[in-house]
Amino acid sequence: AQSVTQLDSHVSVSEGTPVLLRCNYSSSYSPSLFWYVQHPNKGLQLLLKYTSAATLVKGINGFEAEFKKSETSFHLTKPSAHMSDAAEYFCVVTPYNQGGKLIFGQGTELSVKP
Amino acid sequence: ETGVTQTPRHLVMGMTNKKSLKCEQHLGHNAMYWYKQSAKKPLELMFVYNFKEQTENNSVPSRFSPECPNSSHLFLHLHTLQPEDSALYLCASSQDPGGNSNQPQHFGDGTRLSIL
Repeated sequence: AQSVTQLDSHVSVSEGTPVLLRCNYSSSYSPSLFWYVQHPNKGLQLLLKYTSAATLVKGINGFEAEFKKSETSFHLTKPSAHMSDAAEYFCVVTPYNQGGKLIFGQGTELSVKP
Repeated sequence: ETGVTQTPRHLVMGMTNKKSLKCEQHLGHNAMYWYKQSAKKPLELMFVYNFKEQTENNSVPSRFSPECPNSSHLFLHLHTLQPEDSALYLCASSQDPGGNSNQPQHFGDGTRLSIL
């Protein structure tokens, strides 16, 4: 069965410092992986996606993620946090041959301190 | 307008009321989805429509009744809801997901539903 685990429910960083949000997945086949962000009272916005092309994926707002098959990980990083990055982040997997069905992680709340 | 639009943004209703949530997408997508987002829980997929046909009902109680008149519009009709149905209801759309699609879903901003 496919699943995704976000290893931290809450991460707090200072503005200007790096961000690391961790995600591990479980999939029998090569999955498609996504990171979404949700700001308060908003829907989910796609940050980036991995679809078996380059293993280092660049997204919007300076975020990027690296697909590591050997570690079954897809961690999200950003070199320098901004106050506007404070939000909930979801790691998502689309299992093979499941008609685009999404499996969501529990979410990681990112706080950014001034 | 662009993207996925949901109305109303907020809804307060009693348990005996009947109301409807509306979702409209302007992205030319063929698949639409309803999700429920409760506090401290993962997103729950409720319904999937592909080319106006319902392809998934994730064991949703019958007090939630979806309707998809065309590929651009999706409704969720509500009646005799329970307090535990209070949540953020999100609509999403995507290209035809097919059997092995890697197309992302695009979300609306949701309807915050409160049941009195």
